[in-house]
Amino acid sequence: AQKVTQAQTEISVVEKEDVTLDCVYETRDTTYYLFWYKQPPSGELVFLIRRNSFDEQNEISGRYSWNFQKSTSSFNFTITASQVVDSAVYFCALSESATGGFKTIFGAGTRLFVKA
Amino acid sequence: NAGVTQTPKFQVLKTGQSMTLQCAQDMNHNSMYWYRQDPGMGLRLIYYSASEGTTDKGEVPNGYNVSRLNKREFSLRLESAAPSQTSVYFCASSRDNSNQPQHFGDGTRLSIL
Repeated sequence: AQKVTQAQTEISVVEKEDVTLDCVYETRDTTYYLFWYKQPPSGELVFLIRRNSFDEQNEISGRYSWNFQKSTSSFNFTITASQVVDSAVYFCALSESATGGFKTIFGAGTRLFVKA
Repeated sequence: NAGVTQTPKFQVLKTGQSMTLQCAQDMNHNSMYWYRQDPGMGLRLIYYSASEGTTDKGEVPNGYNVSRLNKREFSLRLESAAPSQTSVYFCASSRDNSNQPQHFGDGTRLSIL
């Protein structure tokens, strides 16, 4: 069965600190997809990144970077020089094959507080 | 560009009442989803519709029914609401049910007394 674990329930940092959000997943499929979503205090969910199981290249987008390691089944998310606007709940998600296509499972989320 | 629109945004029900949550998307997406979000549990998939005319159960389908009315609309019905169904409900859509990211509505906060 697929599973996504975000062991960090809450993280609090001071502005400009770097912070890494951990995500560990379990799946039996060889083809699967990993996602990160952001949920700011306003409540909507915003897609940040998608990675497929065959692409282990790390990715950087501005202050955000993602480290995908199949050997440890992890897909960690790092925010460099955090800002107050980064305060949100961040969800890691895994999609693998299911009836009708793919089924997505979300982790429980990590709440990030960035203090000024 | 509205994206995914959910109605209502807030609702209070009494135990045993029925309710339909509405969801519509204007992105011509094939796949639509209903999730519930509870504290400490992330988002859990209730039902999904990979394409118009199909629906499938997710992780927590008990107590819910869905209807994919057309390509744009996917409704979630609570036939006999229970306090355990108090939650925030999110509708989402994606181009298809594969590796595409999902676009979410703003959520419906539902309280059942």
